[in-house]
Amino acid sequence: DTGVSQDPRHKITKRGQNVTFRCDPISEHNRLYWYRQTLGQGPEFLTYFQNEAQLEKSRLLSDRFSAERPKGSFSTLEIQRTEQGDSAMYLCASSQGQARLSWYFGPGTRLTVT
Amino acid sequence: AQSVTQLGSHVSVSEGALVLLRCNYSSSVPPYLFWYVQYPNQGLQLLLKYTTGATLVKGINGFEAEFKKSETSFHLTKPSAHMSDAAEYFCAVSDRLSQGGSEKLVFGKGTKLTVNP
Repeated sequence: DTGVSQDPRHKITKRGQNVTFRCDPISEHNRLYWYRQTLGQGPEFLTYFQNEAQLEKSRLLSDRFSAERPKGSFSTLEIQRTEQGDSAMYLCASSQGQARLSWYFGPGTRLTVT
Repeated sequence: AQSVTQLGSHVSVSEGALVLLRCNYSSSVPPYLFWYVQYPNQGLQLLLKYTTGATLVKGINGFEAEFKKSETSFHLTKPSAHMSDAAEYFCAVSDRLSQGGSEKLVFGKGTKLTVNP
């Protein structure tokens, strides 16, 4: 068990470009969550998956954002036509079962849009 | 919807002094309650959680928190601060399984702890 991993750790992109982040959860975890954290704020929920099904999406997730978890294992978060306001830390977490008692967070991907 | 309020975005203490970080939640039914710590450029690490039972919860690194239903609070304390405690701390809540509802964690805005030598 190597924990939740995210790739890349840092991404600098120019406004208008598309970016994609990857999250690999703990292997037996069936739930995967994406959060966004801007400077000076707590993490804000974006979306979550149970296996490959996307069960909830925040209103923060505009139509420029899309997340997938095609085989119920790793997940990708894509941002199209990036804006400077997208600059943030994107955190992934995973959990197992419905206990709602344990979430394990990855190290995050820091996105800077110039 | 669940919400969490952390009083004080910055707290500064001297090494060896008591640490008190405040957290209040808004819910008529006590949710599950969590404290996470975040070191610079890192993800979130669970310090402790309250689900049921004993209202005083002990966590890692000498931290503890007490759930007070009457005050809808879950304040984090540590008797003696260490330089390595300097970090940002987040209180979070989630709906109990029995309530159904969303599975997500809802976080407060965080409190940055500075420890002075």
